[in-house]
Amino acid sequence: QLQLVESGGGVVQPGRSLRLSCAASGFTFSSFAMHWVRQAPGKGLEWVTAISYDGSDKYYADSVKGRFTISRDNSKNTLYLQMSSLRADDTAVYYCASVTNKWFGDFFDIWGQGTVVTVSS
Amino acid sequence: EIVLTQSPATLSLSPGERATLSCRASQSVSSYLAWYQQKPGQAPRLLIFDASNRATGIPARFSGSGSGPDFTLTISSLEPEDCAVYYCQQRSKWSVTFGGGTKVEIK
Repeated sequence: QLQLVESGGGVVQPGRSLRLSCAASGFTFSSFAMHWVRQAPGKGLEWVTAISYDGSDKYYADSVKGRFTISRDNSKNTLYLQMSSLRADDTAVYYCASVTNKWFGDFFDIWGQGTVVTVSS
Repeated sequence: EIVLTQSPATLSLSPGERATLSCRASQSVSSYLAWYQQKPGQAPRLLIFDASNRATGIPARFSGSGSGPDFTLTISSLEPEDCAVYYCQQRSKWSVTFGGGTKVEIK
């Protein structure tokens, strides 16, 4: 069964760091690009970042560029999001999502259940 | 950056009625537009990709149409379980944009 399971969310103070993980199962993780999408409380969906199938290409939304880093470990079927210099407006549910393409993809066919990140003092 | 504008913001209809949701792009885009359904407390679910292709397991009452800049998601006959927020999404170069969403309420 195709599945993505996020973990690592929690409450963190402004300016601090946090690392999210996304464990994949049921499909060939190493063959597809992966993304992170977030949703602030009561708001819509916002794309955050993407990584190619082999980790060679990475893309970021302007809102997180220079603060967030996406990576993957294909030997562990796991995607990561390292978040630093966190701000209150980073508070959101963070979803990992897969695409049907090696490099970037046009749509998200599998979503995780999300992990909640709250940035607050 | 492409901006996707969804309308209406809220749609309130009775079971069995037809729902028509609109998504307009701020500039000419390809047909690589997708639609998602999100119910409260759940992750989004892919409904339609490439403007008009239903994803696996999606009921036939959901259909997508259109080409840049105007796209439409139609629910032919509303079921109570279709109560949700619907988002359109477009990929442009190395970025992704979502519309603001349309909330579908069942009377």
